Amino acid sequence: QVQLVQSGAEVKKPGSSVRVSCKTARGTFSSYPIAWVRQAPGQGLEWIGRIIPTFGTTTFAQRFQGRVTLTADESTVYMDLSTLRSDDTALYFCALGRYGSGNYGFDPWGQGTLVSVSS
Amino acid sequence: QSALTQPASVSGSPGQSITISCTGTSSDVGGYSFVSWYQQHPGKGPKLIIYDVSNRPSGVSTRFSGSKSGSTASLTISALQPEDEADYYCSSYTASDTQVFGGGTKVTVL
Repeated sequence: QVQLVQSGAEVKKPGSSVRVSCKTARGTFSSYPIAWVRQAPGQGLEWIGRIIPTFGTTTFAQRFQGRVTLTADESTVYMDLSTLRSDDTALYFCALGRYGSGNYGFDPWGQGTLVSVSS
Repeated sequence: QSALTQPASVSGSPGQSITISCTGTSSDVGGYSFVSWYQQHPGKGPKLIIYDVSNRPSGVSTRFSGSKSGSTASLTISALQPEDEADYYCSSYTASDTQVFGGGTKVTVL
């Protein structure tokens, strides 16, 4: 059964960039999409974007366009977020779109990566 | 893309049924049958409990059911149990080829 393992916590300065990785364990992405979602402390879920690793095709929420890049190799997907601000402090999740006719049902999820942005 | 609208909190006693609504627009919930629901316990990651409006992944209790009417989707939890106490989020595909979440609903078992 596919599991997603994310990279460790990051502490960054405002204006810098961060890379978070999401690696498959015991399985492959196949042609399923990987979504990135974040959750600020005490807040709800926010959809960032999606990549289909096999094809490299990406889609982003409008508010993140131009600031986020998603890339992939055979077993790992990477999210690069630039020009970090304090309100980017959040727990970042990757999730596999394995369910549904359009693969818009996401499960499993990675364990989450805490990105803290502070001067 | 604005977040979908969910009630902030819903509560019920053990054994009761509760329903959580998720209201969007014709550009998301109303336009597609790609509504999902996620359960999140404190300190844990989200877990998919409903996809494509009304389908359950293998292993998810049959006490969870989903439906949609117009631009409002609903999640019903029947025979409420203490372990159902969690946050619940709806999500929909959108006309922009993106996805959007609801603000989340805290379910309390009295």
